[in-house]
Amino acid sequence: DTGVSQDPRHKITKRGQNVTFRCDPISEHNRLYWYRQTLGQGPEFLTYFQNEAQLEKSRLLSDRFSAERPKGSFSTLEIQRTEQGDSAMYLCASSRPAGGEETQYFGPGTRLLVL
Amino acid sequence: GEDVEQSLFLSVREGDSSVINCTYTDSSSTYLYWYKQEPGAGLQLLTYIFSNMDMKQDQRLTVLLNKKDKHLSLRIADTQTGDSAIYFCAEDTGGFKTIFGAGTRLFVKA
Repeated sequence: DTGVSQDPRHKITKRGQNVTFRCDPISEHNRLYWYRQTLGQGPEFLTYFQNEAQLEKSRLLSDRFSAERPKGSFSTLEIQRTEQGDSAMYLCASSRPAGGEETQYFGPGTRLLVL
Repeated sequence: GEDVEQSLFLSVREGDSSVINCTYTDSSSTYLYWYKQEPGAGLQLLTYIFSNMDMKQDQRLTVLLNKKDKHLSLRIADTQTGDSAIYFCAEDTGGFKTIFGAGTRLFVKA
């Protein structure tokens, strides 16, 4: 399978715990994105990497959130001291801009439930 | 500001055509996308249209773009029960940023 993969698919945690999610993009894609999707809404942009550089962070991304892409391949998203409001689907997408076009391909998401 | 709006629900009978509408605000959008999301799954790219095009057809899917009115539509011909899902309209506002609508839930009645 050469699509975007995410791990784990589901995570249940208690409030105050730390969680980490992993995203493996399509191998030749140099851009990687994290989104958050809450029930009944479309994805909301969180952050974006070009290769290993984190180029943009949304105001939605509080200090408790950190993302890395150390070697420009897979990425991790860590949430510290989780809150119930963090419960959502966390989606990763990757892309490779070409000829002015940039289509993002999404992974299956990690569904987080904070109790 | 940037915003993408869609109607929340659409119900059609199997075999009929479905038309899902979307309006967007950023006139500088270069690409507009339609994604499909089935329950518990990520987003699947269905089709996209470049902003200098009026129409794009891909098998049962037809995308119409009215750039003057900033209106985008997705027509699904011969809708099947397997088409039941949430459909997201999205605009590429340049660089990294893609703005999504809240999604239209399509129900297909057998």
